[in-house]
Amino acid sequence: RKEVEQDPGPFNVPEGATVAFNCTYSNSASQSFFWYRQDCRKEPKLLMSVYSSGNEDGRFTAQLNRASQYISLLIRDSKLSDSATYLCVVNEDQFYFGTGTSLTVIP
Amino acid sequence: EAQVTQNPRYLITVTGKKLTVTCSQNMNHEYMSWYRQDPGLGLRQIYYSMNVEVTDKGDVPEGYKVSRKEKRNFPLILESPSPNQTSLYFCASRGITSNAKLFFGSGTQLSVL
Repeated sequence: RKEVEQDPGPFNVPEGATVAFNCTYSNSASQSFFWYRQDCRKEPKLLMSVYSSGNEDGRFTAQLNRASQYISLLIRDSKLSDSATYLCVVNEDQFYFGTGTSLTVIP
Repeated sequence: EAQVTQNPRYLITVTGKKLTVTCSQNMNHEYMSWYRQDPGLGLRQIYYSMNVEVTDKGDVPEGYKVSRKEKRNFPLILESPSPNQTSLYFCASRGITSNAKLFFGSGTQLSVL
């Protein structure tokens, strides 16, 4: 049983498109939630925390549904520079990572 | 600048030759951790430490050792590396509040021949 599950993709979208990623987690007692971005063979970097009320940072919107135990990330107006792997991360005292969703934004 | 420093960036070695990957953080974080990342498997935790002289096994500890003699340093030791330990390794640290974010080192690509 995986703690965190993500659709690995790949998602190939044109510039300007809106794309959404979902992630499910298994432990209802999970405490905090994050989206990280990882470029090829580089370290993951925090994209944004995810709060129950939903939160937005520019073109990025994250939402948490505790009842259904899923987290989402919406990217609007995709840029070429958004191409990366997006990791869903859940904190249950330890951090658990999804395997990542690969996004390629095409000119 | 707040950072996690990990060295070396690349390492090629042979089976059985002991090696150490160093990790240091300057954010006074209590928690430090080591992960390995393999294609299709994502990030898996090897060992973690909640504070000085306190270490615990993660999901894949076999073949690895760690120590936490000082708060800032958390080296990963492979006493007798084997080819199945060829992987991309990341060190990370964070504070201990429930919403604390995890900060990563730049990674070590290890190849064991």
